[in-house]
Amino acid sequence: DVKVTQSSRYLVKRTGEKVFLECVQDMDHENMFWYRQDPGLGLRLIYFSYDVKMKEKGDIPEGYSVSREKKERFSLILESASTNQTSMYLCASSLNRPEAFFGQGTRLTVV
Amino acid sequence: AQSVTQLDSQVPVFEEAPVELRCNYSSSVSVYLFWYVQYPNQGLQLLLKYLSGSTLVKGINGFEAEFNKSQTSFHLRKPSVHISDTAEYFCAVTGNTGGFKTIFGAGTRLFVKA
Repeated sequence: DVKVTQSSRYLVKRTGEKVFLECVQDMDHENMFWYRQDPGLGLRLIYFSYDVKMKEKGDIPEGYSVSREKKERFSLILESASTNQTSMYLCASSLNRPEAFFGQGTRLTVV
Repeated sequence: AQSVTQLDSQVPVFEEAPVELRCNYSSSVSVYLFWYVQYPNQGLQLLLKYLSGSTLVKGINGFEAEFNKSQTSFHLRKPSVHISDTAEYFCAVTGNTGGFKTIFGAGTRLFVKA
């Protein structure tokens, strides 16, 4: 089975902090994605990566950056956390096929 | 560009009753279609997918969906639901032009009552 592991299930951070969300997949997938999930809005794509060191902006990249130094790891960075970034963050990966495998999610609260 | 509309935000239903969760999409290119399920405090799990071929697709846990190209719909159905089906369900669409960028609907919360 494919395993996508997010480093934290719950995080509480202060406004202005730099926050790192880590995601690791164990199936040599080329594509990795970061989404945020908010009630009534579904999942919105923040960034995705289709290869090491490659990244593309999704629909809501403002306030976020990403890093993919190794194929299995895709990090989401909140440069200066704000309260409107309180959300559930979901990482996903896929082989060169459209269906994705998701991690358990990280519920981030910014206070 | 693609978009997805899930027509119901919440669907309450009694156990053993049938259920349909509705999904419409729009796209200027051919698409792949998906339903994902999210149980409380978990990530998303693929329920079923339409890539090509038969328009009636069967998934896990007794769910099925029918792709209707003329109506641009991909409704999810189950003939008899269980308490354990209580979850949030997301319809999703991916354009088949490469890149596999997926657009998700807002979600439908299915609540199965005893």
